[in-house]
Amino acid sequence: QVQLVQSGAEVKKPGASVRVSCKASGYTFSNYDISWARQAPGQGLEWIGWTRGYNIKYAPNFQDRVSLTKDTYTSTAYMELRSLTSDDTAVYYCARNGGGLHYWGQGSLVTVSS
Amino acid sequence: QSALTQPASVSGSPGQSITISCTGTSSDVGGYNYVSWYQQHPGKAPKVMIYDVNNRPSGVSDRFSGSKSGNTASLTISGLQAEDEADYYCCSYTTSDTLVFGGGTKLTVL
Repeated sequence: QVQLVQSGAEVKKPGASVRVSCKASGYTFSNYDISWARQAPGQGLEWIGWTRGYNIKYAPNFQDRVSLTKDTYTSTAYMELRSLTSDDTAVYYCARNGGGLHYWGQGSLVTVSS
Repeated sequence: QSALTQPASVSGSPGQSITISCTGTSSDVGGYNYVSWYQQHPGKAPKVMIYDVNNRPSGVSDRFSGSKSGNTASLTISGLQAEDEADYYCCSYTTSDTLVFGGGTKLTVL
């Protein structure tokens, strides 16, 4: 069965960077795109970006601070967010595109605190 | 890109039907038939309920249906059940080859 398993919770200081991983299984990794989204405490979902084949697209709000990559050999997608502030405290999700965002990871809590 | 506009909250009694709207622009909702809807219970990851405006994934109850008119998409839930109480988000593809979510709607089953 399709599974997306994300890395664990992280605590970072303001100004630092964080990298979240998303390991896929149960399907051919290269056949589907991966999206990333986040949800701040008590807030709604916010789309961050996606890897579309060889193309990568970012939401305007994240364009300058985020990098999305993928390793097809290990079927793992990565999201790196730089220059963290307290506003980046959120649960970060990866999701597989195809029939909407059909499969989601369990979420990775990133806490930014001095 | 601005978030799609959803009502903050809707409510209904068991057995009733409710509709949640999702308003965008001709650059997103109105321009493509790529609107999806997600249900999220507290502390859980979102779950896709509708994709491509009106398609239901396998396993999703046929009480859930989607539609679109112009720049506004809608999610209708018929025969409301207590388990439907959750947050609901719409999402659309955009002309920038990106996605954009709605602000979310809290559904309360009275």
